[in-house]
Amino acid sequence: ETGVTQTPRHLVMGMTNKKSLKCEQHLGHNAMYWYKQSAKKPLELMFVYNFKEQTENNSVPSRFSPECPNSSHLFLHLHTLQPEDSALYLCASSEVAADGYTFGSGTRLTVV
Amino acid sequence: EDKVVQSPLSLVVHEGDTVTLNCSYEVTNFRSLLWYKQEKKAPTFLFMLTSSGIEKKSGRLSSILDKKELFSILNITATQTGDSAVYLCAVEAISSGSARQLTFGSGTQLTVLP
Repeated sequence: ETGVTQTPRHLVMGMTNKKSLKCEQHLGHNAMYWYKQSAKKPLELMFVYNFKEQTENNSVPSRFSPECPNSSHLFLHLHTLQPEDSALYLCASSEVAADGYTFGSGTRLTVV
Repeated sequence: EDKVVQSPLSLVVHEGDTVTLNCSYEVTNFRSLLWYKQEKKAPTFLFMLTSSGIEKKSGRLSSILDKKELFSILNITATQTGDSAVYLCAVEAISSGSARQLTFGSGTQLTVLP
């Protein structure tokens, strides 16, 4: 474990389902992130939260809805997804002056 | 728009070989360049290079940053099968606040054969 825990590890959902991804960090970091990793593509930044405030939304479709109730928890609510949304969703957290991010192990999402 | 290009996309070598992975970038207000190793799922941090630290070394891995030519290389000497992974390069731009936004390259898939 890296200090950033993501659940579930795997998720298969239909296009009409509603599900949520969860991320939890106990590193005392003050920024948290959602990334999408599709096959053969670079990691894409989706959302950034800085001290629980959303500071970035990189043109992500509204069927993805983030929530950050406190600095240790981050959720990604999913609704009416498309098959092309199938990917590995990675959560990360960071501290200001530290080296790099700490990533979670990700949730492998398959939309059928 | 910030951009990171890694080469080669994939590389197959034998144990004991030395490999060099390349990363070129374009970024406004450069802050740092980072290397990650991704074996299964979670990318794990390798190095961060900034203006004040343009060369890093850890065991068989080393990395340099050329800020003038806007590229970095990651060297792995005496490769082992455990080095097989995707190696990700990312650049960070200076931003306000404490959130740090990285732009990633597509990665280099390294396979080390016994």
